[in-house]
Amino acid sequence: GQQLNQSPQSMFIQEGEDVSMNCTSSSIFNTWLWYKQDPGEGPVLLIALYKAGELTSNGRLTAQFGITRKDSFLNISASIPSDVGIYFCAGLTSGGSYIPTFGRGTSLIVHP
Amino acid sequence: DTAVSQTPKYLVTQMGNDKSIKCEQNLGHDTMYWYKQDSKKFLKIMFSYNNKELIINETVPNRFSPKSPDKAHLNLHINSLELGDSAVYFCASSRSGGGDYGYTFGSGTRLTVV
Repeated sequence: GQQLNQSPQSMFIQEGEDVSMNCTSSSIFNTWLWYKQDPGEGPVLLIALYKAGELTSNGRLTAQFGITRKDSFLNISASIPSDVGIYFCAGLTSGGSYIPTFGRGTSLIVHP
Repeated sequence: DTAVSQTPKYLVTQMGNDKSIKCEQNLGHDTMYWYKQDSKKFLKIMFSYNNKELIINETVPNRFSPKSPDKAHLNLHINSLELGDSAVYFCASSRSGGGDYGYTFGSGTRLTVV
């Protein structure tokens, strides 16, 4: 089946630093989704991308749908302690079951 | 006014027992899901129901049986619990064919089998 490689697996940064993470796939996706999971909670949708090359922001978060449609990137600017959590990418193909393939997550820890 | 609510939040039980997890959504979504998150945080789809009908049943032991009495509820019953069933189980919902608009997840049920 389809697989998503998400990297890095974990990040330890200082408050105020910028963060970048990405997902790559051997398959083409038509939709990319980015979720954040706070400790003890379920994942929450941050950004959805529907078009190759699309760049979408949500506050300090910016995500991009790669031109090849096989990758996506998430950037967080000026990180703050509440950015701590696990970030998941997910990709979907059209005409399928609308069940996304999830990456394995990037665990982010922000030191104050 | 929680959108997707699961109960219980925590469940500790002995091997061999039977247990149920309940899920309800008040978003008017037509499709509901069960996901399992293992200790390495990998999210794996287990089941998907659309308007009370099973549409996705991944390779899950038949000890797991979902039940959807109406489109707002999707419960998960697990028979003869095993140690390997320990995980966090998430219920989620979406619009019909709306996985590409993102799911709304519940806050999870942490199941520990001892």
